[in-house]
Amino acid sequence: EPEVTQTPSHQVTQMGQEVILRCVPISNHLYFYWYRQILGQKVEFLVSFYNNEISEKSEIFDDQFSVERPDGSNFTLKIRSTKLEDSAMYFCASSFGLGETQYFGPGTRLLVL
Amino acid sequence: AQSVTQPDIHITVSEGASLELRCNYSYGATPYLFWYVQSPGQGLQLLLKYFSGDTLVQGIKGFEAEFKRSQSSFNLRKPSVHWSDAAEYFCAVALNNNDMRFGAGTRLTVKP
Repeated sequence: EPEVTQTPSHQVTQMGQEVILRCVPISNHLYFYWYRQILGQKVEFLVSFYNNEISEKSEIFDDQFSVERPDGSNFTLKIRSTKLEDSAMYFCASSFGLGETQYFGPGTRLLVL
Repeated sequence: AQSVTQPDIHITVSEGASLELRCNYSYGATPYLFWYVQSPGQGLQLLLKYFSGDTLVQGIKGFEAEFKRSQSSFNLRKPSVHWSDAAEYFCAVALNNNDMRFGAGTRLTVKP
């Protein structure tokens, strides 16, 4: 069964550093998403992406965040200058279309020191 | 304001007992409704979803959920819980499945 994959599974970085989290969505899916889950808190929507542009974003997704689909398979989330409060589990998801089920990857646990 | 509420932070049930996890939502229209399960260190796995039609939805692993419009609820049920069901359960809603909002989660502990 096809699945969403994410790399790395864990990332530790220093405050102020840039990080790039990578995702490979399911191959025939057209919509891509990033969510985050701060430890002990709910899963929060960050951004959705379709047709090579952002279609929705939350108030969390400020100028330090960016997303990109650099090739036909990868979908990345970049955090330009990490802050301590960016420490969280970041989930990528994909769906075939609007109104279709979102399938989640296993997540990348980011720790900012 | 749009919101998803899971009133129970933590529930403990005995193996073999029945289970009901509550979820209420507050949206202007009927959203798409989902239940996801997260085992420790794992990603989110979809259990079931409701878009329209029959209000009783069957999912994987023996779970079902019932949409009640009058109560703005979408409670998850299982007649007989197994030890492997211990996990965190998240209710989620989306108006168009583009911006999914999650509840705070209910942690399920299963006693032997």
